[in-house]
Amino acid sequence: DQQVKQNSPSLSVQEGRISILNCDYTNSMFDYFLWYKKYPAEGPTFLISISSIKDKNEDGRFTVFLNKSAKHLSLHIVPSQPGDSAVYFCAAPGRYGGSQGNLIFGKGTKLSVKP
Amino acid sequence: NAGVTQTPKFQVLKTGQSMTLQCAQDMNHNSMYWYRQDPGMGLRLIYYSASEGTTDKGEVPNGYNVSRLNKREFSLRLESAAPSQTSVYFCASRDRGGVYNEQFFGPGTRLTVL
Repeated sequence: DQQVKQNSPSLSVQEGRISILNCDYTNSMFDYFLWYKKYPAEGPTFLISISSIKDKNEDGRFTVFLNKSAKHLSLHIVPSQPGDSAVYFCAAPGRYGGSQGNLIFGKGTKLSVKP
Repeated sequence: NAGVTQTPKFQVLKTGQSMTLQCAQDMNHNSMYWYRQDPGMGLRLIYYSASEGTTDKGEVPNGYNVSRLNKREFSLRLESAAPSQTSVYFCASRDRGGVYNEQFFGPGTRLTVL
């Protein structure tokens, strides 16, 4: 049972335009979400997070929106740059280890930003 | 400040061979984790260590053992490698504090079992 779903394996956008990456979840008890970015041959790096009590969090070109009624969150990148080309993972708290526990990851969306 | 380091970067094993994947962090973090990532999949938790001296199973622990040698180091051992363990292995760590479970990842070990 996949609790965090990223249904788009890939996304291609033009440089300067907006990139929108989507994530759906099934567990209404998640109290926060994170987005990670991963370049080839590197480990994931933390990008941005959002608490379940908020509907928006912004950090520079990156904004995450949370729609709790739809159990949906999205990551907006504006404007998109070629260096944003990477795999983006949506993540939520896992059930192992309580507050020190793991993260549940979606399958990822590969973003390609074309010059 | 190197963050989370992993060795080796690449490894090829034959079925039945054993090996240990090493992980170390220099951020004085309490919790450490081992994940595996398979093609088209998200990362899945193998084992974790909430603090020095403790280890617990995660989602996919079968075929693996771990050791939390000290606060810095957390190793993953494959006693008898199987082709199903071909994967990319990531070690991660986090501090005890903080609202969000922001974890810091190493660069990964790409393991192939023939």
